[in-house]
Amino acid sequence: DGGITQSPKYLFRKEGQNVTLSCEQNLNHDAMYWYRQDPGQGLRLIYYSQIVNDFQKGDIAEGYSVSREKKESFPLTVTSAQKNPTAFYLCASSNWKDLSTDTQYFGPGTRLTVL
Amino acid sequence: GNSVTQMEGPVTLSEEAFLTINCTYTATGYPSLFWYVQYPGEGLQLLLKATKADDKGSNKGFEATYRKETTSFHLEKGSVQVSDSAVYFCALSEDGNNRKLIWGLGTSLAVNP
Repeated sequence: DGGITQSPKYLFRKEGQNVTLSCEQNLNHDAMYWYRQDPGQGLRLIYYSQIVNDFQKGDIAEGYSVSREKKESFPLTVTSAQKNPTAFYLCASSNWKDLSTDTQYFGPGTRLTVL
Repeated sequence: GNSVTQMEGPVTLSEEAFLTINCTYTATGYPSLFWYVQYPGEGLQLLLKATKADDKGSNKGFEATYRKETTSFHLEKGSVQVSDSAVYFCALSEDGNNRKLIWGLGTSLAVNP
């Protein structure tokens, strides 16, 4: 089946530790996105990448880093500089070059809790 | 800048009731409009979309019409079920090359048997 996988579903880390969230897609999509979701605040864009080896900051990039070495993969690192990292993180991908099919498809999410 | 405004929730309905969730937008150009649904503890799923004025998106009994004159994309369903309980997000896709989505804050729907 084609889709987006995120692992793990739940992640616990101690304060001050960096943590990397995995996102993989087999939809052959060029673009990938990372969002953060907090209760009552909707989705906020952290980073996005439209092509391999290139990525752009979203609205709340501070304290996060990404890489896009392969088309299928877009890992997100939550660094110790992120002041309030506990949240639900969602990865998405899209075929952004085709305006008729530019829908974003989402993974199941990773709930990160920093203790 | 571009923005999306959704009606605040939570919305609580009885099974078989009529549902409307209002969504209005501000945008330059000709954005595409989307409704996504999020079930508890899961990621978002596309519910329906419309890419130009007067288009009607529909799926699973839900409908929404792209109204450019009122800058609206209200979600409707004639008879809701308990399984429709979820959070619904309205979004628009910006014109241009980056195709970022601008999101509403979401509207929580609870349907009681």
